[in-house]
Amino acid sequence: GAGVSQSPSNKVTEKGKDVELRCDPISGHTALYWYRQRLGQGLEFLIYFQGNSAPDKSGLPSDRFSAERTGESVSTLTIQRTQQEDSAVYLCASSFQGLSGNTIYFGEGSWLTVV
Amino acid sequence: KNQVEQSPQSLIILEGKNCTLQCNYTVSPFSNLRWYKQDTGRGPVSLTIMTFSENTKSNGRYTATLDADTKQSSLHITASQLSDSASYICVVSEFLNTGTASKLTFGTGTRLQVTL
Repeated sequence: GAGVSQSPSNKVTEKGKDVELRCDPISGHTALYWYRQRLGQGLEFLIYFQGNSAPDKSGLPSDRFSAERTGESVSTLTIQRTQQEDSAVYLCASSFQGLSGNTIYFGEGSWLTVV
Repeated sequence: KNQVEQSPQSLIILEGKNCTLQCNYTVSPFSNLRWYKQDTGRGPVSLTIMTFSENTKSNGRYTATLDADTKQSSLHITASQLSDSASYICVVSEFLNTGTASKLTFGTGTRLQVTL
């Protein structure tokens, strides 16, 4: 596609439910990132996929959070047993090979509200 | 711990005026520094990328500078427009030994409002 695509764009869920967020990176981009941004705050790193390497999961805040990526394409971020503190926009980004100097393109985000 | 500090936190300027946003970082080893513009409710959009050897880079009315010795960067906006109202985020990449990976550290951004 022309850019990084995320779905759903908005999700309201009840506390305790599981949610799944999807990211379609730009075709050919091997590096994929997930970030969380709470209202009025900066971006918080969650997880980074680079090709077939083991993902960098160091930013996942708890074991309720997990992410998968199929090859060099779609990624899903799953939040189990959602809590109100999980309310945020979840941003996905991709870049070509993750090499220095390559532009990182962001999607428009998935806005999650836990009620 | 890698950190990126931005100042000011917020800024209000009149349309047509210039402004400069600051970014200080402690990321090491340094790979590159990026400035992003984030409109409210949208994903960040890249403005500039600078590597160690670059001191300045322009993108239209946006000019970024980098001093890798003092670990400081600035983003200068010339002749501001109402559409420049957004958050400006400084992002620094840490070079990892794998050679093809980089880890990003984000600043919390400067919120710019351009008014009439």
